[in-house]
Amino acid sequence: DTTVKQNPRYKLARVGKPVNLICSQTMNHDTMYWYQKKPNQAPKLLLFYYDKILNREADTFEKFQSSRPNNSFCSLYIGSAGLEYSAMYLCASKRWGYEQYFGPGTRLTVL
Amino acid sequence: QQKVQQSPESLIVPEGGMASLNCTSSDRNVDYFWWYRQHSGKSPKMLMSIFSNGEKEEGRFTVHLNKASLHTSLHIRDSQPSDSALYLCAARDYNQGKLIFGQGTKLSIKP
Repeated sequence: DTTVKQNPRYKLARVGKPVNLICSQTMNHDTMYWYQKKPNQAPKLLLFYYDKILNREADTFEKFQSSRPNNSFCSLYIGSAGLEYSAMYLCASKRWGYEQYFGPGTRLTVL
Repeated sequence: QQKVQQSPESLIVPEGGMASLNCTSSDRNVDYFWWYRQHSGKSPKMLMSIFSNGEKEEGRFTVHLNKASLHTSLHIRDSQPSDSALYLCAARDYNQGKLIFGQGTKLSIKP
C-alpha cells in the first residue's frame, strides 16, 4: 500500500484562529514532507521530518509548526491563520533515496 | 526567481499527437530529476525519473536529461485525453536532500 492519507480534505478557518492538519502513512517511510501549493505556483516546501529531526525552511520558519509523534503520523500546525495561508497543503513521504509519495491534499480556506 | 523553470505554462495537443514539455534548473546543486503528473483534484503521482545523461523510455513516455545544462524534457507520443493534467518537474538539491519543484505545465489533450 503506497497510500498517504490526509485529514481533513477541506478546512475552513477564520483569520487569527489555529489550524491543525494531519498526515499519515503506513509504508514505514523515514521522511515526511509538507508542501504548500497555490494556483499556478510550484509546490513550496514548508518543512520535513527525517525520522525525528524536524527541518523547517528559513522563509517559513516562524509560520508553521509540526510534530511527528511516531513514524506514521505528521501534523502541520498554524498558530494564527492569515488570509495568505489559503492554499492546498500536500503531505508526502519517502524512504531515503526514493520517490516521494503524495497525499490527496487538504484545501485550506481562511476567511 | 523560480529555481526550476518549466515551459510552456500550458499546452494544447490534439489526441494522437506528440506533447513536449521542458524543465531547466538554474540551481547548479541538483542532480536527479523527476516528472510528476497531477490530475485535477488528485495528488501528484510520480511518472518518470531520470538520474543519468541520456534518454529513458517507458511506453508512450520518453524523458531526456542533459546534466551539463540541467535541462530535462518529457515527451508523450500518441497523446490521450487521459494525459490531460498538470505536469510537475522536480529536481533534487543534493546538498539539502530536498526536491525543488517547477510551477508546472498544464497539458490539455483535445479529442
